[in-house]
Amino acid sequence: DTAVSQTPKYLVTQMGNDKSIKCEQNLGHDTMYWYKQDSKKFLKIMFSYNNKELIINETVPNRFSPKSPDKAHLNLHINSLELGDSAVYFCASSHFGTSGETQYFGPGTRLLVL
Amino acid sequence: KQEVTQIPAALSVPEGENLVLNCSFTDSAIYNLQWFRQDPGKGLTSLLLIQSSQREQTSGRLNASLDKSSGRSTLYIAASQPGDSATYLCAVRNAGNMLTFGGGTRLMVKP
Repeated sequence: DTAVSQTPKYLVTQMGNDKSIKCEQNLGHDTMYWYKQDSKKFLKIMFSYNNKELIINETVPNRFSPKSPDKAHLNLHINSLELGDSAVYFCASSHFGTSGETQYFGPGTRLLVL
Repeated sequence: KQEVTQIPAALSVPEGENLVLNCSFTDSAIYNLQWFRQDPGKGLTSLLLIQSSQREQTSGRLNASLDKSSGRSTLYIAASQPGDSATYLCAVRNAGNMLTFGGGTRLMVKP
């Protein structure tokens, strides 16, 4: 009954590789997000995506590309991985709207680039 | 650009104490403010959400207040318990539906 799920939970890989992290939500939300939490535990938004619009945080390198096959999934593909990409990546979802609703977070994917 | 700051960065208290966590933000044009809890190695759990038009929200032993004009929020935890030990994150939502997080307060409640 997990609301927001991510796979894999752990990912260890070499520099230069390309990897993907998958996210799925069963809450019927129309907006999904990717956040990055670095070693100092700062959590920062990377992308916001709903059916019609992708909002990209301008500080995110273009090696990172979100892909949404449907409303319930938002995958994160990373090309040419670098040491600095090591972090915990969290997926989240919510309804889109100006009223503002709680975002529900997945358990995180711990990425280590060697 | 919105910046969110949380003070203190870490806090250790004996069980049973009441405590206050602080959050400040630089841009008062927010839609809402949320408090989250993060346990080690886990994801985030939403505790309270305060809309920009509200002054406070309560859930059990937790009470969160919002003073939008001064850019401040507090999370009050009554009668703290060891199970409250976690990192508490404050986040504000501006336009675009995205959240800006503070650095968190690591709380340790000692039995």
